[in-house]
Amino acid sequence: NAGVTQTPKFQVLKTGQSMTLQCAQDMNHNSMYWYRQDPGMGLRLIYYSASEGTTDKGEVPNGYNVSRLNKREFSLRLESAAPSQTSVYFCASSGVVYTEAFFGQGTRLTVV
Amino acid sequence: QKEVEQNSGPLSVPEGAIASLNCTYSDRGSQSFFWYRQYSGKSPELIMFIYSNGDKEDGRFTAQLNKASQYVSLLIRDSQPSDSATYLCAVNPGGGADGLTFGKGTHLIIQP
Repeated sequence: NAGVTQTPKFQVLKTGQSMTLQCAQDMNHNSMYWYRQDPGMGLRLIYYSASEGTTDKGEVPNGYNVSRLNKREFSLRLESAAPSQTSVYFCASSGVVYTEAFFGQGTRLTVV
Repeated sequence: QKEVEQNSGPLSVPEGAIASLNCTYSDRGSQSFFWYRQYSGKSPELIMFIYSNGDKEDGRFTAQLNKASQYVSLLIRDSQPSDSATYLCAVNPGGGADGLTFGKGTHLIIQP
């Protein structure tokens, strides 16, 4: 039982390049989330998907897009990476009754 | 703006003592509350959740909730060096699936 799996674990991008972060969960959770974590800023919500077929903006959505591909998978796309998007990105999922979030192992992204 | 406040620390506690971590939140309508532990370079790991006023105990950990004071705390009894980590307080403001709001975390150091 893998839980929440993110790929890749590390990535270096040049400014202006694009990439997609992948996330999959095998806990049959309805809701999935993308957070970023920066020193001194804590975890901030980028986008979330409360259920399959829906997505909504979180606190810091600018520069990102998401796709809820199916119940298991939720991807985050950076269309034109900027140095300000250098961060650690975490995908998480949660159930319906108990809304605690379970996190993937994170993607450390550096934009140069 | 829904906020969750924590003292960033570091909080230094001798091995075997009780570590007390505190958190306040701004949204009086918040329904559920969580404590996560995060080791350096790792993803957040759920320790406890609490929904009702009062205390909830799980092994060496006790979560305390006071909704009137908008205050959540985590007590760690018989602190061990392996408890050294950053502890994140998180709140689900609406009780739904629109994500958790996190504090910036308290860095706890257990001194052998």
